[in-house]
Amino acid sequence: DGGITQSPKYLFRKEGQNVTLSCEQNLNHDAMYWYRQDPGQGLRLIYYSQIVNDFQKGDIAEGYSVSREKKESFPLTVTSAQKNPTAFYLCASSIVDRGLDGYTFGSGTRLTVV
Amino acid sequence: AQSVSQHNHHVILSEAASLELGCNYSYGGTVNLFWYVQYPGQHLQLLLKYFSGDPLVKGIKGFEAEFIKSKFSFNLRKPSVQWSDTAEYFCAVDTDKLIFGTGTRLQVFP
Repeated sequence: DGGITQSPKYLFRKEGQNVTLSCEQNLNHDAMYWYRQDPGQGLRLIYYSQIVNDFQKGDIAEGYSVSREKKESFPLTVTSAQKNPTAFYLCASSIVDRGLDGYTFGSGTRLTVV
Repeated sequence: AQSVSQHNHHVILSEAASLELGCNYSYGGTVNLFWYVQYPGQHLQLLLKYFSGDPLVKGIKGFEAEFIKSKFSFNLRKPSVQWSDTAEYFCAVDTDKLIFGTGTRLQVFP
């Protein structure tokens, strides 16, 4: 079955450590996205990529970094510069000409920094 | 920059009541519009979407939404809610990326 896999589901890290969240898709989608979900703030776009080796900042990119070396993978690194990293992180993908297919979302990673 | 506003942050209804959740967006060009739902402990699911054509869109579970271009609105409606509709609802606008509103928490009491 095609879909998006985010791993791990829960992640704990100590303050000051960088952490990388995995997002893999086997849908042959061109575009991939990272969102952060916080209570009362909805989903906010961190980074997105519409093609391999290219990506753009979203609304809250500070303290995060991404790479897009392969079409299937779009890992997100939460760096120590991110002031409030504890959150729920969602990955999504889509074809560039989205038509009727819309977006596919992963099941998310809940990051807790202690 | 495009943005999405959901003015109802928390809505409480009794079963069988009618529902309307507001969504307004700011973007001057052609948009695709979505409503997503997130049930407690579950991930996002697509309720309905508008790309073109009939501005009244029907989705799953009896939900519908109307796109009013002149008002930049895409309000979600359901004539009679059920307890199982308790969830968080997100409106989203797609131009070259998907931007979400802050969400509306709906609680339905039996």
